[in-house]
Amino acid sequence: NAGVTQTPKFQVLKTGQSMTLQCAQDMNHEYMSWYRQDPGMGLRLIHYSVGAGITDQGEVPNGYNVSRSTTEDFPLRLLSAAPSQTSVYFCASSFDRAYEQYFGPGTRLTVT
Amino acid sequence: DAKTTQPPSMDCAEGRAANLPCNHSTISGNEYVYWYRQIHSQGPQYIIHGLKNNETNEMASLIITEDRKSSTLILPHATLRDTAVYYCIVRVGWDQGAQKLVFGQGTRLTINP
Repeated sequence: NAGVTQTPKFQVLKTGQSMTLQCAQDMNHEYMSWYRQDPGMGLRLIHYSVGAGITDQGEVPNGYNVSRSTTEDFPLRLLSAAPSQTSVYFCASSFDRAYEQYFGPGTRLTVT
Repeated sequence: DAKTTQPPSMDCAEGRAANLPCNHSTISGNEYVYWYRQIHSQGPQYIIHGLKNNETNEMASLIITEDRKSSTLILPHATLRDTAVYYCIVRVGWDQGAQKLVFGQGTRLTINP
């Protein structure tokens, strides 16, 4: 198993550009989440999904869109990048609500 | 939602047991205590979780007080690779069935040779 994979590892965007951060897992997990981590801070939940076709907002959803068309993939879209979205983004998945979450290696995004 | 309080930093000598405390005095009866750690720049890694009984796995032990208002994560023989930020998290419940983890500031544990 590859676990949770994220691409790209690094990305630099200009203000106003859009892009999609990719997340995939090969563990057949129903639950997937996106977090962001700013310097010196803990992780904050952006969006999550409890299964294919079902998504919902977390703590800091503004400026981000998600969709879940398959169990394996959970992409995060930045519609119009802003410097405030400079952060490290982590994707996570878990088998069920009571199980531990597995995190990907992260994507470091810089918006200039 | 229950919140947690952890010391911002701790040091431990290599080979000794590292004991990381966490206070969660407002925890409710159906909330679990989870521990994760984050080694520099990597994604968080699950360590252990429990409800009210003490738990042990290959990585650590979790001791939860009888009143469940605090807990201690024990790394029995700390190594340099255990240097990381450790997060104590109380699961905040269900929204459409999702497990939402709220990460606080954590404890930065440094293992010294």
